[in-house]
Amino acid sequence: GNSVTQMEGPVTLSEEAFLTINCTYTATGYPSLFWYVQYPGEGLQLLLKATKADDKGSNKGFEATYRKETTSFHLEKGSVQVSDSAVYFCARRGSNYKLTFGKGTLLTVNP
Amino acid sequence: SAVISQKPSRDICQRGTSLTIQCQVDSQVTMMFWYRQQPGQSLTLIATANQGSEATYESGFVIDKFPISRPNLTFSTLTVSNMSPEDSSIYLCSVEGHGLQETQYFGPGTRLLVL
Repeated sequence: GNSVTQMEGPVTLSEEAFLTINCTYTATGYPSLFWYVQYPGEGLQLLLKATKADDKGSNKGFEATYRKETTSFHLEKGSVQVSDSAVYFCARRGSNYKLTFGKGTLLTVNP
Repeated sequence: SAVISQKPSRDICQRGTSLTIQCQVDSQVTMMFWYRQQPGQSLTLIATANQGSEATYESGFVIDKFPISRPNLTFSTLTVSNMSPEDSSIYLCSVEGHGLQETQYFGPGTRLLVL
C-alpha cells in the first residue's frame, strides 16, 4: 500500500543551524508530495509541495526536491529560526485524493 | 488557498455523550475530508464527506460512531458519538477542489477531551 516514512524526532537545533528532515515514500504511481507544518496548538499548514519528479518545492526558506530515483522528498533549510519550532509532516497524495502522512518530526530550535 | 473554520475550537465532554463538529469553507469545494490526530500522533483519515450522499469511511471507522453530513459544497459536520476517553483527539477537516491545484487545505482543528 501507500506509505510515507519520515525521520523520527525529536530534532533539536540551535538558531542558524542547517536542517534536514528525511522523508521517503512508496513509489506506487506518480504521487504528489507535500510538507505540512503544525505550530503548537494549531492545525496543519501547507509548507510546500511538488507534483512530479525533479520538481523543487520551496517556501519560507524551506526546500524539498522530488527524487524519483531514491523515492525521497527531504526537507531542508539552510538557517533555522526559533519561530520554525513545530511538527513537520511529510505526505503523499494518491490518485484517489487521499493523503498518507508520515509520523511527524518535532523540531525545536533554541536561541 | 481556502479559508476554513471549525467549531468548536475545543471542548471537554463527558463519556457517553456526543459532540458535533462543524467545518465551513469560504468557497465551494469538491472534496471534504475528516481526520483524527491522537495525542502525539500523525493524522488518520476518518472519512471522505460526499455532497448529497453518504460519506465514505476508512477501515476502522464506522458511520454509527462518526456520522457525517455534507449538505452543500461549503459545509460539513462530523459527530463523535457515545464518546469515551479514547476519543480524545484533535479532529481536523480538510478540503480540496477546483482552484486548489490538487492540494488539501486544513482547518484549525477541534481539540476534544473526553473525561
